[in-house]
Amino acid sequence: DAKTTQPTSMDCAEGRAANLPCNHSTISGNEYVYWYRQIHSQGPQYIIHGLKNNETNEMASLIITEDRKSSTLILPHATLRDTAVYYCIVRPLNTGFQKLVFGTGTRLLVSP
Amino acid sequence: NAGVTQTPKFRILKIGQSMTLQCAQDMNHNYMYWYRQDPGMGLKLIYYSVGAGITDKGEVPNGYNVSRSTTEDFPLRLELAAPSQTSVYFCASSYSRTDSYEQYFGPGTRLTVT
Repeated sequence: DAKTTQPTSMDCAEGRAANLPCNHSTISGNEYVYWYRQIHSQGPQYIIHGLKNNETNEMASLIITEDRKSSTLILPHATLRDTAVYYCIVRPLNTGFQKLVFGTGTRLLVSP
Repeated sequence: NAGVTQTPKFRILKIGQSMTLQCAQDMNHNYMYWYRQDPGMGLKLIYYSVGAGITDKGEVPNGYNVSRSTTEDFPLRLELAAPSQTSVYFCASSYSRTDSYEQYFGPGTRLTVT
């Protein structure tokens, strides 16, 4: 699976958009970009995933560059409850078995 | 649905003791996983199972054993606990469909070995 690089930490003001970058320059053509988050002491939670098109759901938006070497997770209106560690993971979707390789992620702190 | 449940929530073990961490899911998922998370680090896969009776090693299996006698349950056994096994343990499950994309995690078991 491709390796990902994320900033260690980021800050965001409540109500503003949080833009979390991820570099995955060695991504293969069949690999998807996944985002999970882990709120303090809880199990990780799936947020969103995508292949090459931008994706949006009720939680977030995912913007993937045209060359697919990087992506950005956008939380459009961050709240205090969005304070968490965010993990960017790359893996093939065409395998039912999901061996997720977690890095150290980005610690997002949302402040009032 | 209760989702993925884990017991106990907390446990303190003495070096050399053994214990079983319980994990159950009620979503009829074929795939189940055990991860450990050391302080400040990401999760690492210990063992996984693709169905009842089938298990395999992940990234860090040493010191652990698993069994999968039913679809619902996937216990993790620690034999001869060591301080290096102090960690938070997460169980997870997912569908076996190739279009499945979400892994569901339990709340974790915080284990301290002293």
